[in-house]
Amino acid sequence: QKEVEQDPGPLSVPEGAIVSLNCTYSNSAFQYFMWYRQYSRKGPELLMYTYSSGNKEDGRFTAQVDKSSKYISLFIRDSQPSDSATYLCAMKDSGGGADGLTFGKGTHLIIQP
Amino acid sequence: NAGVMQNPRHLVRRRGQEARLRCSPMKGHSHVYWYRQLPEEGLKFMVYLQKENIIDESGMPKERFSAEFPKEGPSILRIQQVVRGDSAAYFCASSPQGDNQPQHFGDGTRLSIL
Repeated sequence: QKEVEQDPGPLSVPEGAIVSLNCTYSNSAFQYFMWYRQYSRKGPELLMYTYSSGNKEDGRFTAQVDKSSKYISLFIRDSQPSDSATYLCAMKDSGGGADGLTFGKGTHLIIQP
Repeated sequence: NAGVMQNPRHLVRRRGQEARLRCSPMKGHSHVYWYRQLPEEGLKFMVYLQKENIIDESGMPKERFSAEFPKEGPSILRIQQVVRGDSAAYFCASSPQGDNQPQHFGDGTRLSIL
């Protein structure tokens, strides 16, 4: 079983729809959870950074963490064609020198105009 | 540009040559991380460095790969005697000092081995 599972898609939705992206993980030591957006031939861009369980909202983006289920989600409201990209979830434990992020493989999202 | 700077953006090497990838962290950041993204694979952590120190190299291949972050200048990821399997995108990230700070990525170096 991989440490972080993420459906690669592609996920295609019409403009204006609410998008739901998800990851599951197996390592209960993970405490910090991130979502990155990556456009083709570019580096990952940090969208959301959360600690432990709960919700965090930033503009059209909402991140949810459910540690009891080992499940994290990213919701995008009022989706735009410019949101078309690959979305990567990433996570890490609480440190102690182990600061490398563990990534999912990414979900390819397509917003149809 | 205050972001993480990586160069070159594209690098072509023949088998057996050496590849040197450079990364300048964001202004004010003192921690550097290197990741590799193979085709159809996710980003994989390689090494975490602070100035003049390797903190965690648990993701580095045991042979041919090395990394440094000198007191002055950029961080360098060095691959000796490259093989076709080294073809990948190599990304650098940086974070400010302090535990559990978010990591910000550069646009990567795409290494192709002929």
